[in-house]
Amino acid sequence: QKEVEQNSGPLSVPEGAIASLNCTYSDRVSQSFFWYRQYSGKSPELIMSIYSNGDKEDGRFTAQLNKASQYVSLLIRDSQPSDSATYLCAVKGPNSGYALNFGKGTSLLVTP
Amino acid sequence: KAGVTQTPRYLIKTRGQQVTLSCSPISGHRSVSWYQQTPGQGLQFLFEYFSETQRNKGNFPGRFSGRQFSNSRSEMNVSTLELGDSALYLCASSPGPGTDSYGYTFGSGTRLTVV
Repeated sequence: QKEVEQNSGPLSVPEGAIASLNCTYSDRVSQSFFWYRQYSGKSPELIMSIYSNGDKEDGRFTAQLNKASQYVSLLIRDSQPSDSATYLCAVKGPNSGYALNFGKGTSLLVTP
Repeated sequence: KAGVTQTPRYLIKTRGQQVTLSCSPISGHRSVSWYQQTPGQGLQFLFEYFSETQRNKGNFPGRFSGRQFSNSRSEMNVSTLELGDSALYLCASSPGPGTDSYGYTFGSGTRLTVV
């Protein structure tokens, strides 16, 4: 079983809508959670990190963490065509030696 | 502040050959991690180095090895290349242990093609 699961998509949303990206993880003692954005042909870029249950907002991005349900999500408000990319969820914890474990990513397409 | 620098950007090798990839982390960062990215498997952890010591290792065969120098620069080596080693190899930099909540900063990667 893959430790970090994401729906591969593609997730298609119209411009201006809210995009909701989801991620589940299997290691209950995971401590740190990250969202990366990867444009085609480019390397991953860190956009959000979250460590405590609840919501964390940064501009148009909101990360949500529910450790009891082992669930992390990323909301993108007012989606723009430039947000079209693959979004990677990554998880860190003692059982992986604090190496970042990545999901395979969700492809997001924002249509004008 | 310079980012993570990986060289070369592209590489074409023949099966059976070996290859060495290089990574210079962000100035002041002492931890370097390596990842392999393929369309089928996504990003997979290879190994992490800190203070010239391998701190953590992923589930890859012994053909994959690495090292870190005193200036924190790191190299990874793949011997006896196989077609399946064709991938994007990414290096990531972080300050080091004690900052385990810190996300990594990735370099632009080395695209390795094995023919």
